[in-house]
Amino acid sequence: DIQMTQSPSSLSASVGDRVTITCRASQSIASFLNWYQVKPGKAPQLLIYHSSTLQNEVLSRFSGSGSGTDFTLTINSLQPEDFATYYCQQSYSSPLTFAGGTKVEI
Amino acid sequence: QVQLQESGPGLVRPSETLSLTCTFSAASISGAYWSWIRQAPGKGLEWLGFIHFGGRTKSYNPSLQSRLTISIDTPKKQFSLQLKSVTAADTALYYCAKDFDGSGRILDTWGPGTLVTVSS
Repeated sequence: DIQMTQSPSSLSASVGDRVTITCRASQSIASFLNWYQVKPGKAPQLLIYHSSTLQNEVLSRFSGSGSGTDFTLTINSLQPEDFATYYCQQSYSSPLTFAGGTKVEI
Repeated sequence: QVQLQESGPGLVRPSETLSLTCTFSAASISGAYWSWIRQAPGKGLEWLGFIHFGGRTKSYNPSLQSRLTISIDTPKKQFSLQLKSVTAADTALYYCAKDFDGSGRILDTWGPGTLVTVSS
């Protein structure tokens, strides 16, 4: 299985901050990397797929980059509704695997 | 816009079988893959497996393959999960999801999740 790790596991930020989350794969996954936002009691939301493609209706303050083993999710100008937990997931091979998540807190 | 909703018992006794259903609303589901994912308390997301809309293609996480069965009832617009011989380690929030591009690997629509506790 491909192991996915994220850092940091949590971070504190303020409205308006720029936030960067890092995701690393245990082997090269090309650009088969997706990012999700999870809030308590709500359905998780796909933000970015194929490392850098924004899903429909996802605001442009979210961006993704990277290929191979190292990837980043950036949130520009953090908004109150962005406080959530973010997960990266590899879609290179089965079984699909997620990293442990990054909780973005106020 | 597809919507998904998980349903099933919130409490299952150890050694018994956990059964969950996901009901989806969609005008067309041709080509879609339907997945189950779970999140144990304090842990990250774990993909359990998926089934193709036609029911013939399935893929399971090897860590659960011996205990897991996923099935689909297309006319009823439901797909189901059965997990045998559960233990406390199977306590989790269980999500169902649909894939985005016919690969089964990018999950663009999720249900809100249903909490299952394994306890006597």
